[in-house]
Amino acid sequence: NAGVTQTPKFQVLKTGQSMTLQCAQDMNHEYMSWYRQDPGMGLRLIHYSVGAGITDQGEVPNGYNVSRSTTEDFPLRLLSAAPSQTSVYFCASRRGGHSTDTQYFGPGTRLTVL
Amino acid sequence: KQEVTQIPAALSVPEGENLVLNCSFTDSAIYNLQWFRQDPGKGLTSLLLIQSSQREQTSGRLNASLDKSSGRSTLYIAASQPGDSATYLCAVYGGATNKLIFGTGTLLAVQP
Repeated sequence: NAGVTQTPKFQVLKTGQSMTLQCAQDMNHEYMSWYRQDPGMGLRLIHYSVGAGITDQGEVPNGYNVSRSTTEDFPLRLLSAAPSQTSVYFCASRRGGHSTDTQYFGPGTRLTVL
Repeated sequence: KQEVTQIPAALSVPEGENLVLNCSFTDSAIYNLQWFRQDPGKGLTSLLLIQSSQREQTSGRLNASLDKSSGRSTLYIAASQPGDSATYLCAVYGGATNKLIFGTGTLLAVQP
C-alpha cells in the first residue's frame, strides 16, 4: 500500500492564480480530510468527506473547494490564491468514524503564494 | 467548542531521561485521542490511539494515558533517545463536531 499520497510536494503561486492539490489513498478509506498547518496555530481542518459524493466544511473553508467523485481521490482546489493561503497542506484518511479508526496523513504540500 | 492545549510548547532533555508530555481538552465527549509524531518537513505519523473507554495504551517505550473526566492525556517516553527528537501532537476525535481537533504540539529535543 502506498497509503496517502499528495502532489505536488512544493508549489509557488502568484496572487489570483488557481490550482488543485491532489490527494489519493489506496486503503479504501471512507473518511478523507484536508488540513492546513501554520506556525503557532497547529493543524486546522479545511474540508472533509465521509464518503464518495459527500463533503462538508471544516474550521477554515473559505477560498477552498473540494469534491469527492471516487473513494480514492479527494482534490483540494484553490479558487483565487491569496498570500494568507501560504501554508503546508496535509491530506488525511481514516477507515470510518469508529473509535478504533486511526487517522493516516500524507507527506504534505508546501504552498507559497506571492 | 473543543479546544486542545499542549504543555510545554518545547522541551529539551538529555539522552536517557524519562519524560512526560501533556495534552488537555475542554469537551470530554470524545471517541478517541491520538498522539502523533511529526519530523521536520514531514507528515504526521500516528503513535498511539486511546479509545474513550480505555485508560492507557502502550507501544514500546511509549505509554499514553487518558483521563476523560478531567480532560487530560499524557504521553510518557521512557529512556529518551536523540531519535525521539520531533514535534509531538495530540488530537481528539468526536464530541459535537465529529472531527479531529489538534493541539499545537510539543517540540522535543533529546540531547546526546
